[in-house]
Amino acid sequence: GDSVTQMEGPVTLSEEAFLTINCTYTATGYPSLFWYVQYPGEGLQLLLKATKADDKGSNKGFEATYRKETTSFHLEKGSVQVSDSAVYFCALRSYGGSQGNLIFGKGTKLSVKP
Amino acid sequence: EAQVTQNPRYLITVTGKKLTVTCSQNMNHEYMSWYRQDPGLGLRQIYYSMNVEVTDKGDVPEGYKVSRKEKRNFPLILESPSPNQTSLYFCASSPAGGNTGELFFGEGSRLTVL
Repeated sequence: GDSVTQMEGPVTLSEEAFLTINCTYTATGYPSLFWYVQYPGEGLQLLLKATKADDKGSNKGFEATYRKETTSFHLEKGSVQVSDSAVYFCALRSYGGSQGNLIFGKGTKLSVKP
Repeated sequence: EAQVTQNPRYLITVTGKKLTVTCSQNMNHEYMSWYRQDPGLGLRQIYYSMNVEVTDKGDVPEGYKVSRKEKRNFPLILESPSPNQTSLYFCASSPAGGNTGELFFGEGSRLTVL
C-alpha cells in the first residue's frame, strides 16, 4: 500500500542553521504531497503542498519540491528560527485510497536553540 | 474565526465507561474525519464523513463509532473504551469533499483509559 517515510528525529539545530527533513513516498499513480506542521499543544496545520511532479511548494520560508524520479518531497529552510520548533509531518493523498484520506509519515520533531 | 473545536481536550476515564468526544466546525465543510496520533505511528484515520448521514471506516475503526446528523458536528463515540485506545485524537475538516488534501485540524483531545 501507499506509505510515507520521514527521517527520524529529533532534529536539533541552532538558530539560522539550514534545515532539511527528508521524506520519501511509495504510491501508485500520481499522489499529491503535503507538509503539515504541529506546534506544541496545537493541531496540525498545512505548511505547503505540491500536486504534480516538479512542483515546488513554499510557505513561511520553507520549500519542498515534488521529485517523481526519486519519489521524494524533502522539506528545506535556509535559516531556521526558534519559532520553527515543532513536529513536521510529510503526507500524501493517494487517489486510490479512501476519499480525502491523507497518509502521514511518523513526524519529525525539530528543536531550534537560540 | 474559522476553526475546528474539540471537547474535551483532556480526559481520564476507566475501561468500559462510554464516552463521546465532540467535534464542531464553523467553515461549512462537507468532509470531516477523525485521526488518532500515537508515538512512532504518526496519524491514522479512524472514520470519515463525506457529508451529512454519510460515514465510512478509515484505517483503524475498531472500537469506535461516529455519527453525522448535522454538517457542523462529527462526534466520536467510544462505547466501551479500553486501554489501547489511550491516544491523542484529532478531528479535521476539509472543503470540496476532501479532494484538496487540505485538512483543518482541531487542537486535539488527549484520552487516557485506565
